[in-house]
Amino acid sequence: ETGVTQTPRHLVMGMTNKKSLKCEQHLGHNAMYWYKQSAKKPLELMFVYSLEERVENNSVPSRFSPECPNSSHLFLHLHTLQPEDSALYLCASSQGAGTETQYFGPGTRLLVL
Amino acid sequence: QKEVEQNSGPLSVPEGAIASLNCTYSDRGSQSFFWYRQYSGKSPELIMSIYSNGDKEDGRFTAQLNKASQYVSLLIRDSQPSDSATYLCAVNSAYGNNRLAFGKGNQVVVIP
Repeated sequence: ETGVTQTPRHLVMGMTNKKSLKCEQHLGHNAMYWYKQSAKKPLELMFVYSLEERVENNSVPSRFSPECPNSSHLFLHLHTLQPEDSALYLCASSQGAGTETQYFGPGTRLLVL
Repeated sequence: QKEVEQNSGPLSVPEGAIASLNCTYSDRGSQSFFWYRQYSGKSPELIMSIYSNGDKEDGRFTAQLNKASQYVSLLIRDSQPSDSATYLCAVNSAYGNNRLAFGKGNQVVVIP
């Protein structure tokens, strides 16, 4: 595997379900990110991890819970989501958590019913 | 004021023509500027980064940066149907603790 991978690629869940999104980067980077991309909106930064420590949480509802067990893996735990949470969730990584180029994974297309 | 603004509406260009995309940003302290290409249903992929005023060329792509006027542009020469995609401008922003702020994107349609 190369680059940034994400699983699952597609997810349909009910509002009472609990699911997790997984991201893995094979680039030796130290920073990882979760973004949300909704139709007609700019990419929204959700969380930033640098060296496994959360350095930013952009006022994301608590029904989204990130976890970064090591510098290569990032999870987004989902519970009691709302239909408006349906979107493309993108993971990215970069060498550092500043101005460096970010590389994106393929994304998880989430539909909340 | 939005951090990063891109022109709205799809841009249609004939095959072989030049596509020109513009992006303005609000944070005068921004230092890093990126153009990403995103095909429908896919994730963004980096095509250009620029850090200094002036032009930077990479193949058929040229990025132009003017920090005094706070804009960055992307030119695509000899446009090909495979260039049809949405192009996202990203700028590091001190407002967001030096994180990347993205514009909404410009859709480019290259007509054969």
